[in-house]
Amino acid sequence: GQNIDQPTEMTATEGAIVQINCTYQTSGFNGLFWYQQHAGEAPTFLSYNVLDGLEEKGRFSSFLSRSKGYSYLLLKELQMKDSASYLCAVRLTTGGGNKLTFGTGTQLKVEL
Amino acid sequence: DTAVSQTPKYLVTQMGNDKSIKCEQNLGHDTMYWYKQDSKKFLKIMFSYNNKELIINETVPNRFSPKSPDKAHLNLHINSLELGDSAVYFCASSPTGTGIGYTFGSGTRLTVV
Repeated sequence: GQNIDQPTEMTATEGAIVQINCTYQTSGFNGLFWYQQHAGEAPTFLSYNVLDGLEEKGRFSSFLSRSKGYSYLLLKELQMKDSASYLCAVRLTTGGGNKLTFGTGTQLKVEL
Repeated sequence: DTAVSQTPKYLVTQMGNDKSIKCEQNLGHDTMYWYKQDSKKFLKIMFSYNNKELIINETVPNRFSPKSPDKAHLNLHINSLELGDSAVYFCASSPTGTGIGYTFGSGTRLTVV
């Protein structure tokens, strides 16, 4: 079966750096995505990794190690608006096509 | 303009009723999806269509029937609604075989009473 684990909650201070980890055990791995979801809104795409290494996009970076089944999302210079749920999702290639399988999400609270 | 739009945004209905949720995307994507997000915020795929063809059907009760009249539209019809169907339903779309993330609609909050 597929298993994707993330911490349930994290708290960090405005201006700081926070790292949200994601571990996965899946078959048919075809990329890892990070999404941000504010309460009552749709998930929005943040980053994508398919090869090992770090992808940087402004204040957000994402890292992947396929051999370890591990990814993290790094948020720098935290702002209050970064308070949201962060969803790790693995794209799987099955006999029928690609699908995103999501972790349960990490609720990040940014405090003053 | 909204890229993936779904209607209605809120739906409150009684047990046993039949209801539909509509979804349209103007991104030119080949593949569309329905996801269900439960009260614990867990997003789970229900269906996937590629160019109007059903390609993924995840152990969803057959009371749920998706319909894709063309590749820009994917509707979800639910028969004989049950209390456990209460959730937020998200439509999404993606281009085939790229690293571009899925684009989600704003969601339909379904409450069955």
